[in-house]
Parts: sequence; structure tokens; C-alpha cells
Amino acid sequence: AQKVTQAQTEISVVEKEDVTLDCVYETRDTTYYLFWYKQPPSGELVFLIRRNSFDEQNEISGRYSWNFQKSTSSFNFTITASQVVDSAVYFCALYSGGGGFKTIFGAGTRLFVKA
Amino acid sequence: GAGVSQSPSNKVTEKGKDVELRCDPISGHTALYWYRQSLGQGLEFLIYFQGNSAPDKSGLPSDRFSAERTGGSVSTLTIQRTQQEDSAVYLCASSSTGQGGTDTQYFGPGTRLTVL
Repeated sequence: AQKVTQAQTEISVVEKEDVTLDCVYETRDTTYYLFWYKQPPSGELVFLIRRNSFDEQNEISGRYSWNFQKSTSSFNFTITASQVVDSAVYFCALYSGGGGFKTIFGAGTRLFVKA
Repeated sequence: GAGVSQSPSNKVTEKGKDVELRCDPISGHTALYWYRQSLGQGLEFLIYFQGNSAPDKSGLPSDRFSAERTGGSVSTLTIQRTQQEDSAVYLCASSSTGQGGTDTQYFGPGTRLTVL
């Protein structure tokens, strides 16, 4: 069965702090894809990153970085020097062949960044 | 270019009435997905269309829910005899090739449905 767990329901930080959002996934497939999406207060989900299971290289994009570790089935997301505009709900998602055409989303982590 | 659009943005209806929610995907995108997001919850997959293939309806919660996609573009999600538990935000997404879920999905702003 495919499953995505985001254990952190809400996180609150002060601006300029670093924050890591955890994502743990379950799948029996060897080929799969992991995603992070951001849902700001406006409601529209915004794609952040896609990673396939054969590429464990960590990625950095500006203040965002992702740590993919197959050994622990985790795909964690770190925001460095957080800003108020980072306040949103962040969703981790998994697609694998065993899940058909359904992308499985985690429950999301709500991040509050206070000025 | 234009993103995914959905209408209406908000819909309030009475229990037992039928509602139709519309999604206009990004032009040229062959795959279209519907999700439901209940208050404070994650996304629940409802249905997936890919080109002219038969849709994957496995996520539809009951036979009161149906969806169609005309001409491979616009999609309508219909909920018959609405119940209060249908209240949620209904999100539509499209992707360019629809290779299963490997292709990046672009989401619309959603329709907030409230059933009184």
C-alpha cells in the first residue's frame, strides 16, 4: 500500500529561523516519484519539486532544500531563513505504479512564520 | 499562459440538491484530475482522465458523484443529492502528458462547496 505521513500538523517559527518539514513514505515499488506542493492562504497548490526514486541527490533551490533518503523512506524539506511569505500548508505526495494513477498526498504541515 | 481555472469559486447549496463544478485545464494538457480537500485535511483523489481513455473513477466516494470530460478539455464534476459531508474544497489539476502521476500537476484555485 502507498502511504505518505507528515507527522507535523503545525509548525510555528520566527522569521529567519530555519525549519524542516518531515515526510515519510511507504511503497513497495522500486520506481516511484515524490513531490512537494505549497498551498498558500489563497488556496491554490503550487508545485515545488519532483524527485524520482533513482535520484537521491539532494536539491537546493534558493532558500529551499530537499533531503531524499531511501534508507529511511524520507523526503524532508528545509526552508532556510524563513520569511512570512513562506506561511502556508505544505504537502508531500507520492506516485508509484502500485498506486495506479493516484498520487497519494500527505495530510499536510501548516507552517506559520511570524515576523 | 493561463492556468487551470475552476468555477464557481464558491457554491452554497441545500442538502438534496444537485451541483455541477467546472474545470478548465491548461490548454494542451491531456490529463485532468479531481481531488477533494475537506477542512484541514489532505487531498483525496476522486477521478483521473487521460486523453480519450476510460477515466479512473476509483476514488469517487459514492454513486452520487460523477464526472465527464468533453472533447478532452473541460471537465464537469457532478454531485447528486448533496449531503452535508460533501462540503469541501474541490480541486482540479491538469498535467501535460499524464504519465501516470509522474508528470507535474498544476492545480486550479478550487471550488468551495458548502451544503447546508
